[in-house]
Amino acid sequence: AQKVTQAQTEISVVEKEDVTLDCVYETRDTTYYLFWYKQPPSGELVFLIRRNSFDEQNEISGRYSWNFQKSTSSFNFTITASQVVDSAVYFCALSEPLSGYSTLTFGKGTMLLVSP
Amino acid sequence: DAGVTQSPTHLIKTRGQQVTLRCSPKSGHDTVSWYQQALGQGPQFIFQYYEEEERQRGNFPDRFSGHQFPNYSSELNVNALLLGDSALYLCASSLWEDRSNQPQHFGDGTRLSIL
Repeated sequence: AQKVTQAQTEISVVEKEDVTLDCVYETRDTTYYLFWYKQPPSGELVFLIRRNSFDEQNEISGRYSWNFQKSTSSFNFTITASQVVDSAVYFCALSEPLSGYSTLTFGKGTMLLVSP
Repeated sequence: DAGVTQSPTHLIKTRGQQVTLRCSPKSGHDTVSWYQQALGQGPQFIFQYYEEEERQRGNFPDRFSGHQFPNYSSELNVNALLLGDSALYLCASSLWEDRSNQPQHFGDGTRLSIL
């Protein structure tokens, strides 16, 4: 089974719409870290947000917000008032240091297309 | 403050050849990880280097090897190239002590095409 599942392959929205990207993860560790990265066409992975497993407080940072729910193993990411520049592939990733696997396990990504 | 730099940007090889990709970590970082990203897929972890030693390895054959130099830069070598090795190869750097809980910094990648 995949450790990180991003069921949405591609999402298309019109500018100014809100959009939520889904991420479901699987781990047996009690301590783990979740990340969201953005990959524009240039290829570089850009870090967006991080959440650790012992802090379920959801936050808002500018147009970005996230909803972390351990009970459902989900770590969803929302962009409010989307813009054309938000068009990219978004990856959810998991780090499990207690398992000795401190590197990142990525989902397959969700391509977001924001049209004017 | 220089970020992660990778070279070359693009590379075209033929089956059976060997290739070397290079990475310089972000200033102040001592740990380098390599990822392979096939078209339409998420990055997959290849291996991680710290103190010039391979510390972790993903599910990749030993055709994939690496090296880290005293200045923390790193090389990824792939022997006996296969068509399936065509991918974007990403290098990421971090501090060893923060490698699991802090975001890794990625370079722009090297796009390798095998003909």
